[in-house]
Amino acid sequence: NAGVTQTPKFQVLKTGQSMTLQCAQDMNHNSMYWYRQDPGMGLRLIYYSASEGTTDKGEVPNGYNVSRLNKREFSLRLESAAPSQTSVYFCASKEVDQPQHFGDGTRLSIL
Amino acid sequence: AQRVTQPEKLLSVFKGAPVELKCNYSYSGSPELFWYVQYSRQRLQLLLRHISRESIKGFTADLNKGETSFHLKKPFAQEEDSAMYYCALSGLSGNQFYFGTGTSLTVIP
Repeated sequence: NAGVTQTPKFQVLKTGQSMTLQCAQDMNHNSMYWYRQDPGMGLRLIYYSASEGTTDKGEVPNGYNVSRLNKREFSLRLESAAPSQTSVYFCASKEVDQPQHFGDGTRLSIL
Repeated sequence: AQRVTQPEKLLSVFKGAPVELKCNYSYSGSPELFWYVQYSRQRLQLLLRHISRESIKGFTADLNKGETSFHLKKPFAQEEDSAMYYCALSGLSGNQFYFGTGTSLTVIP
């Protein structure tokens, strides 16, 4: 089992460009999450999906959109990237009453 | 509102010394508390959850509801313990997670 897989691992964008970060899990988990990790800020929840077909805003959703494509996949989209969105993005998944499992992260730089 | 507070951004201890990483939380109701660890350039992984009452890699953490704390402790630090440690809280629904800002632990040989 690969667990939680994120692609790409690294990406550099110019301000105003768009891109989608992909996340897939093979553990048949119902819930999936997107976080951003910034120095001194810890991890902050962007969006989550409690189950297939549902998505909800987290702590810092502005500038992002998500899609729960199916039970396995949960993508994060930046429509018009801004330098403030330079961060490390983590995807996670979990099952009820279980802890979260994290991916390796995507390092995103916006120039 | 800050739900999880880790007051120390950096903590250095000598090998063999006791270590305590502090975590305080604010939440109405009965949250679930976790400690996650992130070794250099690796993914976050669960270290402890309070309901398990386990000792993992020599670490323990006790939930103190009176002091709203969930401090992580180890009696004898090892070099391989050097990592970033995050305290996290899960609310009643189990869907919203709140992480602290993390403590970077360095164990000096």
